[in-house]
Amino acid sequence: QVQLQESGPGLVKPSQTLSLTCTVSGASITSGSYYWSWIRQHPGRGLEWIGYISYTGSTYYNPSLKSRLTTSVDTSKNQFSLRLSSVTAADTALYYCARQIADFGSGTHIDYWGQGTLVTVSS
Amino acid sequence: DFVLTQSPESLSVSLGERATINCKSSVSVLHSSNNRNYLAWYQQKPGQPPKLLLYWASTRESGVPDRFSGSGSGTDFTLTITSLQTEDVAVYYCQQYYSSITTFGPGTKVDVK
Repeated sequence: QVQLQESGPGLVKPSQTLSLTCTVSGASITSGSYYWSWIRQHPGRGLEWIGYISYTGSTYYNPSLKSRLTTSVDTSKNQFSLRLSSVTAADTALYYCARQIADFGSGTHIDYWGQGTLVTVSS
Repeated sequence: DFVLTQSPESLSVSLGERATINCKSSVSVLHSSNNRNYLAWYQQKPGQPPKLLLYWASTRESGVPDRFSGSGSGTDFTLTITSLQTEDVAVYYCQQYYSSITTFGPGTKVDVK
């Protein structure tokens, strides 16, 4: 059974960096069949894809966040991580990590999601 | 930009009746190289992450009941729940992955009349 679990601070101050880690169990992060993704959901609203990383470290980011975003992968721990810098209240959201199916070098549908972690940006 | 719109915003359906949700893309998501529609549907219940229902517009994910079906091609798609059950009360999202920047529709809320 594939499971993903987000971890990280639930409260971040404005202008600081939001850092989250996703731990994957039941599947190897080194599979070339998947991309490891981050998606967020603002309170009471829809879904926004943030970006993904492959086990080799290849990344693809949403242009709206690209300048503030860094992702990494730790294959020894079967984890991947997100760092979003210079956060504002607009970054307050429920952050999900997820597994996205890879198809000819692009991400497709998302078959497994973490439960999500709420991150609030506030002083 | 790939913009997805969904209609209706919300839908009340009697138990056992049909629910139909529409998703329209601003750009065709039909890939000419493989004749596949790069579109998926998800179900999200309160307090839970989205759950994959259908991908390639009409392929049902393993374990998804066959009362859920998807149709359409190009820019217009439909998710149909043929006989609504109590456990189907949720928000439903479509997703396009034709673009490397995947986007989601705004969601359609389904509840029981």
